[in-house]
Amino acid sequence: GDSVTQMEGPVTLSEEAFLTINCTYTATGYPSLFWYVQYPGEGLQLLLKATKADDKGSNKGFEATYRKETTSFHLEKGSVQVSDSAVYFCALSVPFGNEKLTFGTGTRLTIIP
Amino acid sequence: DAGVIQSPRHEVTEMGQEVTLRCKPISGHNSLFWYRQTMMRGLELLIYFNNNVPIDDSGMPEDRFSAKMPNASFSTLKIQPSEPRDSAVYFCASSHTGANVLTFGAGSRLTVL
Repeated sequence: GDSVTQMEGPVTLSEEAFLTINCTYTATGYPSLFWYVQYPGEGLQLLLKATKADDKGSNKGFEATYRKETTSFHLEKGSVQVSDSAVYFCALSVPFGNEKLTFGTGTRLTIIP
Repeated sequence: DAGVIQSPRHEVTEMGQEVTLRCKPISGHNSLFWYRQTMMRGLELLIYFNNNVPIDDSGMPEDRFSAKMPNASFSTLKIQPSEPRDSAVYFCASSHTGANVLTFGAGSRLTVL
């Protein structure tokens, strides 16, 4: 079945450090890929998405590129801020799947000043 | 738009009691999803509806759980009787078919003593 595997957390970085959170997937067909972010006490919010191979999603300084050859969608940011502290979820949806999302386990990110 | 609205935000109850969680999706969205989040199992899809019809309830843990969507603007998730292992945050999310993006509510945190 469809699945998402993402980097185990927690991850702790200093402010202005470079961030990478790894995500790989297994799916039939050509899924759409997503990163969602959950801030403390809130629901998940879409951070970025990519719908086909080689697409790059970007938002708020975060980027992720849909790599079909490596079945990956790693999240990156060049310089993190304290306000980026949150839990990050990689997810996929398959065509004709009624937008049903399959999530990874989440990676908790803490940025220290 | 006020987004996806869930109630209650917090519920503390005793084992054996009935619990009802409520969700109002975004107006015009025709898909609705119930997810459960725990530390041990992460985010799990319980059930989703399309045009008020349950499409996939394979994630509902057992017969104690039931969900309804009597109209396009309201859904309930009921647990009867509740057990301590049901303690979790329950999220409702909605989407417009074809938009490929879910909007989540803030969640209902359930504690069963």
